[in-house]
Amino acid sequence: GENVEQHPSTLSVQEGDSAVIKCTYSDSASNYFPWYKQELGKRPQLIIDIRSNVGEKKDQRIAVTLNKTAKHFSLHITETQPEDSAVYFCAAIEGGSYIPTFGRGTSLIVHP
Amino acid sequence: DGGITQSPKYLFRKEGQNVTLSCEQNLNHDAMYWYRQDPGQGLRLIYYSQIVNDFQKGDIAEGYSVSREKKESFPLTVTSAQKNPTAFYLCASSIGATNEKLFFGSGTQLSVL
Repeated sequence: GENVEQHPSTLSVQEGDSAVIKCTYSDSASNYFPWYKQELGKRPQLIIDIRSNVGEKKDQRIAVTLNKTAKHFSLHITETQPEDSAVYFCAAIEGGSYIPTFGRGTSLIVHP
Repeated sequence: DGGITQSPKYLFRKEGQNVTLSCEQNLNHDAMYWYRQDPGQGLRLIYYSQIVNDFQKGDIAEGYSVSREKKESFPLTVTSAQKNPTAFYLCASSIGATNEKLFFGSGTQLSVL
């Protein structure tokens, strides 16, 4: 089955800095890669996703990049704000399935 | 918020007791899931159901049971066989095979007395 590794487990930045979270996956058949954000005490919510036929996708201050050859994808947050503080989960889904395999999560702390 | 509701928010289990966590959705989604969340462990899949009256084991199904008698409901029972049940449990749903986006409930924190 699929295995997703996520790093770092904790990331601390100053407000205004950029933050990058990296994930690797094992199954070359995976073709959909969502990112979920879970604020403290709240439910995870999808913030951005990318499919394997696209190398990069942006949505305002967040972007996701995908390197299929290396089997890794990354979340980039620019101009971080305190409200970006949360746990971020990456996931990979194998083509033909819709069951995501999640990484272990990254706790992002943005200091004002 | 809304669409997928979990109850209760907090639950306490005594030794040897079975407890049931409720999950209801009004999104008309075919697929429903149960995840267990432990600190530093991410989201681990317990059970999932693609259609009414059918469900499949996930990665950590031992000590848990589910039913899917109605499209809207997917209750999870934590049995006495689950020796380490303390965790945060998340229910989720998705449209199904054509759409992978998950919608999560607000979770139930289960603790052992």
